[in-house]
Amino acid sequence: AQRVTQPEKLLSVFKGAPVELKCNYSYSGSPELFWYVQYSRQRLQLLLRHISRESIKGFTADLNKGETSFHLKKPFAQEEDSAMYYCALTRGATNKLIFGTGTLLAVQP
Amino acid sequence: DTGVSQDPRHKITKRGQNVTFRCDPISEHNRLYWYRQTLGQGPEFLTYFQNEAQLEKSRLLSDRFSAERPKGSFSTLEIQRTEQGDSAMYLCASSPQTGFATEAFFGQGTRLTVV
Repeated sequence: AQRVTQPEKLLSVFKGAPVELKCNYSYSGSPELFWYVQYSRQRLQLLLRHISRESIKGFTADLNKGETSFHLKKPFAQEEDSAMYYCALTRGATNKLIFGTGTLLAVQP
Repeated sequence: DTGVSQDPRHKITKRGQNVTFRCDPISEHNRLYWYRQTLGQGPEFLTYFQNEAQLEKSRLLSDRFSAERPKGSFSTLEIQRTEQGDSAMYLCASSPQTGFATEAFFGQGTRLTVV
């Protein structure tokens, strides 16, 4: 079965510390991976996707097919990074998303 | 705001009543999705439309749930004979037709509480 696992419900770090949000997936084919973010009182929005190989707001994510992981990283956390982060994969022609349970990132001043 | 809009934002209903939610996608987007999110979980896929055609439905979508997208524009999600287990946030998303792994644009959701 296709599944996305985010093992941490909450990750608390201090401002300026490195951040790594973990994401592992199980999928029989070659999925495309995403990170979506939801800031307080805002709608869910795309942060980055593997296919674009981009860095957004200082965040990067590397797809490791051997470990089936797509961890999200940022070298220096900022308070405005505090939000709920969801890892997701897409499968098939419909582009529907399969989400993990999310990790709440809290950046302390 | 030219993004995806959902109405109502909040709905409280008594068990056994029917409810209907509306989603207006971004106008040029052919693809439309409904998701359901319960506390502590990520969004779970319910159904997918390409233009007016409903092409996929999740097993989560019981017979009490029905969705439509007449003329490929707005979409409605109806829940008949609501149960307390239907309490959740219902999210709508749209994306353009072309390409794979395209960005999904989400609405702010409709929060349903069944009492």
